[in-house]
Amino acid sequence: DAGVIQSPRHEVTEMGQEVTLRCKPISGHNSLFWYRQTMMRGLELLIYFNNNVPIDDSGMPEDRFSAKMPNASFSTLKIQPSEPRDSAVYFCASSLRQGAGNTIYFGEGSWLTVV
Amino acid sequence: AQTVTQSQPEMSVQEAETVTLSCTYDTSESDYYLFWYKQPPSRQMILVIRQEAYKQQNATENRFSVNFQKAAKSFSLKISDSQLGDAAMYFCAPKGQFYFGTGTSLTVIP
Repeated sequence: DAGVIQSPRHEVTEMGQEVTLRCKPISGHNSLFWYRQTMMRGLELLIYFNNNVPIDDSGMPEDRFSAKMPNASFSTLKIQPSEPRDSAVYFCASSLRQGAGNTIYFGEGSWLTVV
Repeated sequence: AQTVTQSQPEMSVQEAETVTLSCTYDTSESDYYLFWYKQPPSRQMILVIRQEAYKQQNATENRFSVNFQKAAKSFSLKISDSQLGDAAMYFCAPKGQFYFGTGTSLTVIP
């Protein structure tokens, strides 16, 4: 079975540009999560969806960040405009259903560098 | 916000030996789930082991086991017969997907 698929795997962009990260969750999973990993702050939950509906976006750092899930098989995380401090690895993950007891499966991450 | 503490930023172990990674946390909940994830150099996060807080029996998964002390809010990971492939960052997640510790970098010495 295919795992969580993220694209792009690596992106280098200039400050001020729009960045869109994409995620395809595991088929049949109802919950989707976006995380950011940096050396300074570790792994942080940015937002999560349940049945395509955003449940908690309190981790989204600023209004420059937005996430959508138009259908059960696709989600995007957008940064506009991007800044150097947004450089990080962004992970998408999914789980079968909502609930802290459910195992989450991570994608391979999108490495973002903003110069 | 919930706090998760992994007090050992780096650990090393001789191949075939046993190592224990510590994790303490704070929660007001009585029923919850705890996870350990492994992140090898490839950066992909991989589930190592899962524990249900209402179960008194510690979870085991092959060479990996946990020592769960609910009252002390402690959730340590023991790796037995360490292998070179165990070298990675290990993250404790005492509330499933919501909070992760800062990680422990494990080096396995041949």
